[in-house]
Amino acid sequence: GALVYQYPRRTICKSGTSMRMECQAVGFQATSVAWYRQSPQKTFELIALSTVNSAIKYEQNFTQEKFPISHPNLSFSSMTVLNAYLEDRGLYLCGARVGLGGAETLYFGSGTRLTVL
Amino acid sequence: GDSVTQTEGPVTVSESESLIINCTYSATSIAYPNLFWYVRYPGEGLQLLLKVITAGQKGSSRGFEATYNKETTSFHLQKASVQESDSAVYYCALGEDNNAPRFGAGTKLSVKP
Repeated sequence: GALVYQYPRRTICKSGTSMRMECQAVGFQATSVAWYRQSPQKTFELIALSTVNSAIKYEQNFTQEKFPISHPNLSFSSMTVLNAYLEDRGLYLCGARVGLGGAETLYFGSGTRLTVL
Repeated sequence: GDSVTQTEGPVTVSESESLIINCTYSATSIAYPNLFWYVRYPGEGLQLLLKVITAGQKGSSRGFEATYNKETTSFHLQKASVQESDSAVYYCALGEDNNAPRFGAGTKLSVKP
């Protein structure tokens, strides 16, 4: 079956430092990967959608300068949180899917929980 | 932009009772978005429960149902008889082609034995 692994599961970083998280698709080829953040007491906010061979599409309030994403092949994506501050803490999820249609199922990892000191 | 509003939790029901979690959507960029319910069980990752991409149709899974109602822009989640194992957080989501879904705030459901 389709599985998505995210690592690290949890991480702590000092304010102003950066932190990289990874997303691995197992058992399928992820033509697109969506990154989300769930801040405390909030829902999952879409950060960006990365589609192989296309430009990465960032949502309003999220920028490439702050959350650079790499999607070098069909099984792997990474995202870095640059200059992390308190408001960046939360659970970061990646959702990977086959195909380009919006109705295709997204398979999610368990997330990377970021704590910023 | 596109958005989803759902029942504010937590919701507590007793086992074998019926359940409805309301969800309404607002889609400004597309007339007929794809609609989803995702679920997150304790200690597990987010997973798709059901989806409907055609207005007027009903999706079902694990005893849950949701009907895509374009007149009322709703996609309420229902189950006739809940079980303790249904305790989880449920997220209504809206998506469009070539983009990732946007989630509602989530509704935490607790089912009492």
